[in-house]
Amino acid sequence: QSVLTQPPSVSGAPGQRVTISCTGSSSNIGANYDVHWYQQLPGTAPKLLIFGNNNRPSGVPDRFSGSKSGTSASLAITGLQAEDEANYYCHSYDTSLSVWVFGGGTKLTVL
Amino acid sequence: QVQLQESGPGLVKPSQTLSLTCTVSGGSITSGSYYWSWIRQPAGEGLEWIGRRYTRGSTDYNPSLKSRVTISVDTSKNQFSLKLSSVTAADTAVYYCARQNCGGDCQLDYWGQGTLVTVSS
Repeated sequence: QSVLTQPPSVSGAPGQRVTISCTGSSSNIGANYDVHWYQQLPGTAPKLLIFGNNNRPSGVPDRFSGSKSGTSASLAITGLQAEDEANYYCHSYDTSLSVWVFGGGTKLTVL
Repeated sequence: QVQLQESGPGLVKPSQTLSLTCTVSGGSITSGSYYWSWIRQPAGEGLEWIGRRYTRGSTDYNPSLKSRVTISVDTSKNQFSLKLSSVTAADTAVYYCARQNCGGDCQLDYWGQGTLVTVSS
């Protein structure tokens, strides 16, 4: 059981908007540690999608955006495309456990 | 463009030591504020952080693995390595090496493709 909680799955039709939540606590997200998001396409390594809560690396479409508030963070994907079907992970630091932690992952299905 | 590539045995016997190497290309392992990291992923499961090593010496390990893990750096070969001792079937996973950029926000900005390690007799 991860200290960062994500919904196991979300889904949406092409063109729609979906959000994926990442709920932490006062010892990680709430302690002002940055949240990063990774996209893992089937059979491949994770790829950095959002860093520092709301920044996109070069080459990541602006359909992807991140936000953070209190002890939670969210990843939003607009204009959903079939190629967005993947697992998404949030990532931050937990000061109580002294460990870098990942959320359990969310599988996005494009209907 | 920085690239990372894992290498090492795909099969390790129980109680033995798992050893993997990550070769970094496209940049020096000694430059910048980078931590060289290992992450693993059992089949069908999520990601687990194993640990990291700063080129200039400091290491951090996941407390749940700390007694069995060693991460080292070979600057002459632009490589870093993972050793995990006393392995069991629970250590079977895809192992990834990655660069953690703490000159930024400590994101994992480059990853290797991953290598499957199976623990079995």
